[in-house]
Amino acid sequence: DAMVIQNPRYQVTQFGKPVTLSCSQTLNHNVMYWYQQKSSQAPKLLFHYYDKDFNNEADTPDNFQSRRPNTSFCFLDIRSPGLGDAAMYLCATSRGSNEQFFGPGTRLTVL
Amino acid sequence: DQQVKQNSPSLSVQEGRISILNCDYTNSMFDYFLWYKKYPAEGPTFLISISSIKDKNEDGRFTVFLNKSAKHLSLHIVPSQPGDSAVYFCAAKDNAGNNRKLIWGLGTSLAVNP
Repeated sequence: DAMVIQNPRYQVTQFGKPVTLSCSQTLNHNVMYWYQQKSSQAPKLLFHYYDKDFNNEADTPDNFQSRRPNTSFCFLDIRSPGLGDAAMYLCATSRGSNEQFFGPGTRLTVL
Repeated sequence: DQQVKQNSPSLSVQEGRISILNCDYTNSMFDYFLWYKKYPAEGPTFLISISSIKDKNEDGRFTVFLNKSAKHLSLHIVPSQPGDSAVYFCAAKDNAGNNRKLIWGLGTSLAVNP
């Protein structure tokens, strides 16, 4: 089945220790997104790639970076995680501006 | 400022009855609306969408109604099943700017009781 895969599902890191979350897709969609979602809140878009073009949201902290080495993979790098970065991180894909399909998410814990 | 509002944080219905989830928006430039369903510890799942040129879209047990003049849409689930218990997010697309960005509501938690 075509899908969006996120690894790991659960990630624990220490305060200030860099962490990388990964996303891969078999849908061959050209757009990939990274969202942050905290409890009882809506998903918050951090940035997205349209093909190779990176689109950052204005309020995304510099602590968050992303890489998309090819169509299938996209990474979220958190350079120095703080306690406030503990959240569910969701990867999504779409074909152009069509519906977005989400992965299962990575739950990040910062100790 | 919340451009997409889901004013009911939670809703409880009996199995077999109709569930109606409501969503209001403020931005008249929104031209496409989507509903996502989210189970705990999972990513949102696309459920159904509607373009602003329509007032109704139906897919099995799920129907979305759009009232543009009132800037209101609703999701109807008939009949409701216990497996429908989840958080439902309404989202809208801002076509005036970056039309890939979804503007999300805060969600409504639906509980369908057997």
